[in-house]
Amino acid sequence: EAQVTQNPRYLITVTGKKLTVTCSQNMNHEYMSWYRQDPGLGLRQIYYSMNVEVTDKGDVPEGYKVSRKEKRNFPLILESPSPNQTSLYFCASSFGRGREDSYEQYFGPGTRLTVT
Amino acid sequence: DQQVKQNSPSLSVQEGRISILNCDYTNSMFDYFLWYKKYPAEGPTFLISISSIKDKNEDGRFTVFLNKSAKHLSLHIVPSQPGDSAVYFCAASDFGNTDKLIFGTGTRLQVFP
Repeated sequence: EAQVTQNPRYLITVTGKKLTVTCSQNMNHEYMSWYRQDPGLGLRQIYYSMNVEVTDKGDVPEGYKVSRKEKRNFPLILESPSPNQTSLYFCASSFGRGREDSYEQYFGPGTRLTVT
Repeated sequence: DQQVKQNSPSLSVQEGRISILNCDYTNSMFDYFLWYKKYPAEGPTFLISISSIKDKNEDGRFTVFLNKSAKHLSLHIVPSQPGDSAVYFCAASDFGNTDKLIFGTGTRLQVFP
């Protein structure tokens, strides 16, 4: 089954304790992205990657890091989480430009993070 | 600066009637538009899209209309069904230059019997 998986689905942590949210896709997609969803703000892009070892900032990158060492994985790292990073996080992937269906991004189920 | 706007946070429609969800954008470089649907506790799923070279695209009960001069698009659902109750996000991109999607804030649709 084609899918994007994220782990964990729920996480409660304390300020300053480093954490990683994993994301994996099995569709051989080149493009991967992280979003956060907050009430009244919709989905905002944090970081994206157009291919292995190629990453770039989205609209709200402060406080986050990513890496893309393998095509299928795109972990999101919070080195020192703060309460304003409490949010619902989504990973997404797509084939990227060049294909007719490349614009359709497939989303993971989400990770609800609470930082106290 | 919100480049993609969904000014109605919620919409309530009776089953069988038409649902119309609206979206406005400010960037004239956007050349592709998408609608996503999101149920609680799930990720958004792709619903329908439209290229800027078209003004209409249909897929079953779902039709998206694009008015480039007004920088406005709308999603029509006919007939609406209770299973359509979800949050709908409009998204846009300048795919000539980037793979980045810009999302609106979402509209919560409730279809009641």
